[in-house]
Amino acid sequence: QQQVKQSPQSLIVQKGGISIINCAYENTAFDYFPWYQQFPGKGPALLIAIRPDVSEKKEGRFTISFNKSAKQFSLHIMDSQPGDSATYFCAASIGAGSYQLTFGKGTKLSVIP
Amino acid sequence: ETGVTQTPRHLVMGMTNKKSLKCEQHLGHNAMYWYKQSAKKPLELMFVYNFKEQTENNSVPSRFSPECPNSSHLFLHLHTLQPEDSALYLCASSLQRETYNEQFFGPGTRLTVL
Repeated sequence: QQQVKQSPQSLIVQKGGISIINCAYENTAFDYFPWYQQFPGKGPALLIAIRPDVSEKKEGRFTISFNKSAKQFSLHIMDSQPGDSATYFCAASIGAGSYQLTFGKGTKLSVIP
Repeated sequence: ETGVTQTPRHLVMGMTNKKSLKCEQHLGHNAMYWYKQSAKKPLELMFVYNFKEQTENNSVPSRFSPECPNSSHLFLHLHTLQPEDSALYLCASSLQRETYNEQFFGPGTRLTVL
């Protein structure tokens, strides 16, 4: 019940295209959903996060869509660039102040010119 | 140095060795974390310290022993490890508040157990 399932495992997108990564969860107590971005040789860094009181949050080219009834959330990267090539992790926690983040397995995104 | 630093960046050790990983944060945070990152598996939270007190221990084997002497430094002492312990070990820190707890990660230590 603590799992967060992430798909796809890897994704190749043409420059300028839209990258979409999906996550699903079971635990209805989760109420904070961050996305982390990790470049090779670096640790993950917070990219964008959403709470379930909104269905969408946008920051620049990055958008989180949230479907509470389906217990799913997704990351959309518009106008994907080669510099977006990284591994993306979705996560969930009970409370935004929680120490415990439950992570997905990650999606390796490659944006080709 | 800024952010969260980890040393060494790479470590190869035998199963009978004893070694330590070091983490230092320069962000004035009050919480520090150890994570294990293995290929094709989710990040696994191992330990959490808040104001030097251990608040979480996620059923980690006793061959991993954390130490937090102050709010800026965190160590992970390793002894008699197994090959399956080979992974990237990430340290993180945060300024934990009731409604917000963004974790900042270091670059990790790539550990190989022979």
